[in-house]
Amino acid sequence: DVKVTQSSRYLVKRTGEKVFLECVQDMDHENMFWYRQDPGLGLRLIYFSYDVKMKEKGDIPEGYSVSREKKERFSLILESASTNQTSMYLCASSLLPWAGPLGTDTQYFGPGTRLTVL
Amino acid sequence: QKEVEQNSGPLSVPEGAIASLNCTYSDRGSQSFFWYRQYSGKSPELIMFIYSNGDKEDGRFTAQLNKASQYVSLLIRDSQPSDSATYLCAVNDGGATNKLIFGTGTLLAVQP
Repeated sequence: DVKVTQSSRYLVKRTGEKVFLECVQDMDHENMFWYRQDPGLGLRLIYFSYDVKMKEKGDIPEGYSVSREKKERFSLILESASTNQTSMYLCASSLLPWAGPLGTDTQYFGPGTRLTVL
Repeated sequence: QKEVEQNSGPLSVPEGAIASLNCTYSDRGSQSFFWYRQYSGKSPELIMFIYSNGDKEDGRFTAQLNKASQYVSLLIRDSQPSDSATYLCAVNDGGATNKLIFGTGTLLAVQP
């Protein structure tokens, strides 16, 4: 079974703080993703990484950065947290770095981190 | 802007009935289609994926794909109260990367 873990289930931070969210997968997956999920807006991709030290912007990268120093670990960083970054943050991983002839492969999600910024 | 659209619901069905969840997508280049189930406060979990036109069955679940109409659906037979959740449709973005585009989900409520 694929296992994706996230460092915290719940997190409360203050405006302006630097926030680190960590994600670890144990299945040697190439691809890792960070999403945020908000009511009525669905899952929105923040950043993804297809290899160590490689990163690509998703749909809403502003205010975030990422780090992938090891294959199994992908960190999301909020440089200066703001109240509009209060959300559920979901990490996911998938095996292949690029889409194959049948398209993309399955993404497996971690349990999520509910972040509240006061 | 590539889009995946779902009716937000709630879709209410009695226990034992067939629940039908629908999804349309905008990118004709999309090749792979996924259904995830998400219980309240939990993360999405994969139910099924489908690549080819037609039906794919797995237990009580059947995914149906019609690429010409850009339409994918999920049927749940013999619906149970434990099936009550939000169902997310996801479609690959048609590019080289393994990105998925998610719909906003349909809330299913199975009434005992």
